[in-house]
Amino acid sequence: GAVVSQHPSRVICKSGTSVKIECRSLDFQATTMFWYRQFPKQSLMLMATSNEGSKATYEQGVEKDKFLINHASLTLSTLTVTSAHPEDSSFYICSARAGRHDYQETQYFGPGTRLLVL
Amino acid sequence: SQQGEEDPQALSIQEGENATMNCSYKTSINNLQWYRQNSGRGLVHLILIRSNEREKHSGRLRVTLDTSKKSSSLLITASRAADTASYFCATDPGDSNYQLIWGAGTKLIIKP
Repeated sequence: GAVVSQHPSRVICKSGTSVKIECRSLDFQATTMFWYRQFPKQSLMLMATSNEGSKATYEQGVEKDKFLINHASLTLSTLTVTSAHPEDSSFYICSARAGRHDYQETQYFGPGTRLLVL
Repeated sequence: SQQGEEDPQALSIQEGENATMNCSYKTSINNLQWYRQNSGRGLVHLILIRSNEREKHSGRLRVTLDTSKKSSSLLITASRAADTASYFCATDPGDSNYQLIWGAGTKLIIKP
């Protein structure tokens, strides 16, 4: 089956630094990637939708200048948390789909990245 | 990871009818969640039911949970064309890993 990887799986950083998280589709081309955030014991919250070659679409309440998303190729999307603060500590998960047609709607999820900002 | 099972894989009904989707899982859970995904969009959280709850309502949605059978159902009453989407269940094992275990999803088509 299709595999989506994320790197790093876990990161600890100091407040004020920026952290980049990579999401890769390993065996398929992902025209669309999604970024989610999940707090402990809470539901997955969609942050943004990223289409290859275009700007990401952010959900209401998500600061686009805070969470920079780049989807420069069909197999890679990155999420950069800029000037991270402790409240940004969370679990970030990406997912990818192979295309925009209905038959390509299956979404494959990455294993997630746990971010801890000290 | 995707370890849950949902049935049916696809469901097509007339507008106004009720739609029922089922989800089974394998491990013990802290809670079970249902999500909707419209074509080309990300997942949208619908409802969360905890392991000590048996039924929960939200608008036209009704979710049941049977932990003895490790199964859940999502009922959408008085369906509308706008309900056409894929529906996923996800379970939270309740351990230190925040990952959810997802079902494969049910594609629901509401015919006008």
